[in-house]
Amino acid sequence: SQKIEQNSEALNIQEGKTATLTCNYTNYSPAYLQWYRQDPGRGPVFLLLIRENEKEKRKERLKVTFDTTLKQSLFHITASQPADSATYLCALEPDMNTGFQKLVFGTGTRLLVSP
Amino acid sequence: NAGVTQTPKFQVLKTGQSMTLQCAQDMNHNSMYWYRQDPGMGLRLIYYSASEGTTDKGEVPNGYNVSRLNKREFSLRLESAAPSQTSVYFCASSWTTGELFFGEGSRLTVL
Repeated sequence: SQKIEQNSEALNIQEGKTATLTCNYTNYSPAYLQWYRQDPGRGPVFLLLIRENEKEKRKERLKVTFDTTLKQSLFHITASQPADSATYLCALEPDMNTGFQKLVFGTGTRLLVSP
Repeated sequence: NAGVTQTPKFQVLKTGQSMTLQCAQDMNHNSMYWYRQDPGMGLRLIYYSASEGTTDKGEVPNGYNVSRLNKREFSLRLESAAPSQTSVYFCASSWTTGELFFGEGSRLTVL
């Protein structure tokens, strides 16, 4: 069956450290993968998109990798801050042959950055 | 720029009642979506609209109907609410592909 999995346990790290979140998928061949941030009581906010032919993408303190062989994406936040505390969702497009996207989301990983 | 606006933000219904969730976007996006979010389940696609005048079922469409009223507006209707429809509902919009812009959510409780 098709699955997209993120660690359901919260990730606790200290301020200044690098946070690494994992997104694994099974039985998908996504053309691209996206990462979103969601704060409590708010809607998800887009962070980064990485395509299947890109190994790595960066935006300020954020870095995403995409390994289509391992079927895995890693999301890194360097020099983490308490303001980075949130739930991070990964999402993939399962079938670009339709010419239209219907993103499938993981359940998200909660990140807690302590001072 | 308001982005994606959803109403109402909160609603309590009794089993069997009906209601419509409204969504409007001001970014001239072609595509609009309705997702529901439940603990441990992630966001699941209910219905989507690739363009004005078209709608299609997503992963969990049972018990819902939608209307793409015009390019800006996409509503979700519960004809006979059930406790299993207690959830947080998110409307989103996008260009054909790429990032989704989400509303702030509508929190629905069905008693």
